Amino acid sequence: EAQVTQNPRYLITVTGKKLTVTCSQNMNHEYMSWYRQDPGLGLRQIYYSMNVEVTDKGDVPEGYKVSRKEKRNFPLILESPSPNQTSLYFCASSLGEGPIPGELFFGEGSRLTVL
Amino acid sequence: QKEVEQNSGPLSVPEGAIASLNCTYSDRVSQSFFWYRQYSGKSPELIMSIYSNGDKEDGRFTAQLNKASQYVSLLIRDSQPSDSATYLCAVNEAGTALIFGKGTTLSVSS
Repeated sequence: EAQVTQNPRYLITVTGKKLTVTCSQNMNHEYMSWYRQDPGLGLRQIYYSMNVEVTDKGDVPEGYKVSRKEKRNFPLILESPSPNQTSLYFCASSLGEGPIPGELFFGEGSRLTVL
Repeated sequence: QKEVEQNSGPLSVPEGAIASLNCTYSDRVSQSFFWYRQYSGKSPELIMSIYSNGDKEDGRFTAQLNKASQYVSLLIRDSQPSDSATYLCAVNEAGTALIFGKGTTLSVSS
């Protein structure tokens, strides 16, 4: 089954404790991206990766890091989480052909609470 | 900052009616447009994509695009209670991201 898998799905942590949200896709997609979704603000892009060689910031990258060491994985790293990073996070991927990024396929989401 | 605007709703329609959802965008060079449906607590799910001016139909859904007016819409015919969700309009920006509107909440009453 074609899918984007995120883990953990739910996490409660404390300020300053480093955490990683993993994202893996099995569709051989070139493009991957992280979004956060907050009430009243909608979906906002954190980082994106056009392919394993190109990664860049989105609209709200502060406090986050990513890496793209292999095509299928695109983890989101919070080095020192703060309460304002409490949010619902989505990883998404796209084939990367035609008008990039094209149709995005989303993971199930990771709900993060930072106390 | 490129913007995608949608009425937040809620848009309420009776079962069997046509629901009309609208979206405007600010970037004149955008070439790709998408409608996603998101149920509460779930991830966005792609419903339609449209790239050319005019109408595109898929089952009960019709997407309409007018690039001159920077306007894209989604019509849902014969609305069902299961269509009750938030509908997100998304526009391709500069080949790096999809920019999403904040969504319109649709409620279909039986």
